[in-house]
Amino acid sequence: QSALTQPASVSGSPGQSITISCTGTRSDVGSYNFVSWYQQHPGKAPKLMIYEVTKRPSGVSNRFSGSKSGNTASLTISGLQAEDEADYFCCSFAGGFAGSFTEYVFGTGTKVTVL
Amino acid sequence: QVQLVQSGAEVKKPGASVKVSCKASGYSLSGYYMHWVRQAPGQGLEWMGTIDPSGDGTTYAQKFQDRVTVTRDTSKSTVYVELSSLRSEDTAVYYCVREEAPAAKYFGYWGQGTLVTVTS
Repeated sequence: QSALTQPASVSGSPGQSITISCTGTRSDVGSYNFVSWYQQHPGKAPKLMIYEVTKRPSGVSNRFSGSKSGNTASLTISGLQAEDEADYFCCSFAGGFAGSFTEYVFGTGTKVTVL
Repeated sequence: QVQLVQSGAEVKKPGASVKVSCKASGYSLSGYYMHWVRQAPGQGLEWMGTIDPSGDGTTYAQKFQDRVTVTRDTSKSTVYVELSSLRSEDTAVYYCVREEAPAAKYFGYWGQGTLVTVTS
């Protein structure tokens, strides 16, 4: 199972909106609405930001939103703030296919820079 | 509240094995899947495997199939991951991770991470 493909970096000015893509295959993103997104600040453990493609956990700002089309999921951050500068990883459930040992696959990661 | 507290950093030689522990508190191990995810320095996250709520079933990523074992001790509320035949590429931070809710396919709780360094 190959890692999901994300852009290495995305940047934006405070107040702007940015979108991070996460491209998989029919075996993972394309087959399941179990895409989640994680934010990771340097030296810290990842934090859940979006689950099941579009849902936000309690306590996560509504500036974060998710979507999916075909084999590609996306995370949008609107009203970009300095505290949003971090690494972001997508993740998809990938189990259930014959011959597939891997149950979850993560994205390659995107560094978000607030200019 | 849910807490996952992992064992301390390890330094191992190539070919050796390492066993990392994760003590859970604030909930019962019997109710949730526990996963292990690792992150090499400056790299992305990599799912390694999971143990089911009963403790009887494990699933591993094909990449680690022959080298990884996930176990648990319910009496100690602790889950373990053991990785054998270590090589330099196994140098990484290892995280224990719990699903947010029973049967949820996303990760709501993370341990603090354990750095495993493989060096001769």
